[in-house]
Amino acid sequence: QKEVEQDPGPLSVPEGAIVSLNCTYSNSAFQYFMWYRQYSRKGPELLMYTYSSGNKEDGRFTAQVDKSSKYISLFIRDSQPSDSATYLCAMRKTGGFKTIFGAGTRLFVKA
Amino acid sequence: DTEVTQTPKHLVMGMTNKKSLKCEQHMGHRAMYWYKQKAKKPPELMFVYSYEKLSINESVPSRFSPECPNSSLLNLHLHALQPEDSALYLCASSPRLGIVVSQSKRLGYGYTFGSGTRLTVV
Repeated sequence: QKEVEQDPGPLSVPEGAIVSLNCTYSNSAFQYFMWYRQYSRKGPELLMYTYSSGNKEDGRFTAQVDKSSKYISLFIRDSQPSDSATYLCAMRKTGGFKTIFGAGTRLFVKA
Repeated sequence: DTEVTQTPKHLVMGMTNKKSLKCEQHMGHRAMYWYKQKAKKPPELMFVYSYEKLSINESVPSRFSPECPNSSLLNLHLHALQPEDSALYLCASSPRLGIVVSQSKRLGYGYTFGSGTRLTVV
């Protein structure tokens, strides 16, 4: 079983839709959770981060962590064609030096 | 300056060639990383440097040789690669190796990645 599971998609939505991206994980020691956005032929860019459980909002983006279910989500409101990219979840353990990435979900937002 | 610069952007090399990938950052970060990413796969950690010393080597074959000449520069020397080594090679940096608690998303848990070098081994 992989430590982090993420549906690769692709996920195709119309402009203006609310997008929900998700990851599940198996190791309860993960405490730090991140979402990266990766455009084609570019390196990943940090979008959001959260610690332990709870929600965090930044503009059109909301990150949620449910540690009891080992499930994290990224919501994108009012999605735009410029949001079309691959979204990778990532996580770290307390005191850990390694970041474990999900495989990424490809998102297409159609104008 | 809040970016990581990688050169070259593209590289095609034969299996007998020797080449080097270069990564540079001027954000004062003291941890630097090499990742390998195949198409539709997550980045895989190869090496981690902390304060210019190799901290983590993820059992990478010796045909990949990292070097950290100073706190701003990270190199990856390539020799006798195989076609299956073709991938996007990403460099990343972070303020420190461990977690740095900060309200800014530019510090803290995350890495700053370069745009990568797309390597093709023929």
